[in-house]
Amino acid sequence: NAGVTQTPKFQVLKTGQSMTLQCAQDMNHEYMSWYRQDPGMGLRLIHYSVGAGITDQGEVPNGYNVSRSTTEDFPLRLLSAAPSQTSVYFCASSPTGLAGNEQFFGPGTRLTVL
Amino acid sequence: GENVEQHPSTLSVQEGDSAVIKCTYSDSASNYFPWYKQELGKRPQLIIDIRSNVGEKKDQRIAVTLNKTAKHFSLHITETQPEDSAVYFCAASEVGGTASKLTFGTGTRLQVTL
Repeated sequence: NAGVTQTPKFQVLKTGQSMTLQCAQDMNHEYMSWYRQDPGMGLRLIHYSVGAGITDQGEVPNGYNVSRSTTEDFPLRLLSAAPSQTSVYFCASSPTGLAGNEQFFGPGTRLTVL
Repeated sequence: GENVEQHPSTLSVQEGDSAVIKCTYSDSASNYFPWYKQELGKRPQLIIDIRSNVGEKKDQRIAVTLNKTAKHFSLHITETQPEDSAVYFCAASEVGGTASKLTFGTGTRLQVTL
């Protein structure tokens, strides 16, 4: 099992550009989520999904879109990047969305928006 | 929504000493409290968790305590070693419908000195 994988590892964008951060898991997990990590602010939930075709907003959803067409994949889209979106992005998955399930994190994507 | 506060933000201890990190939460409905360890440049990984029906849980040199009345929980690391140096995050789970959403604290950077 590869676990949770993310691509790319690093990305530099110019303000206004769009891009998609990829996340995949091979553990047949129902629940997937995206967090951003900023210095001194911990991890903040952007969007999450409890299964294919179902997504919902987290704490900081503005500027980001998600979709979940398959159980394995949960891409995060930035439609018009802004410097405030410079951050490290982590994708995570867990067997279900019920409290008490360990969340497994991917290796992260470091995004810089100039 | 849930708010999790974590203290201290940095902690330096000598090898062999104990370390204690404290967190408070705001939502009395939260019932799952995991702790994640993040080494420099790596992904967060679960090290221990506790549920609201348990007051204390131990796993070798680490332990977590929970006080539901006061809405605080703590991580205790005994006999610290250099490999314990990392950032530690507490979190609380807010159960809503079929999904659980982790709210993280802002992290504690633990440095174990020789």
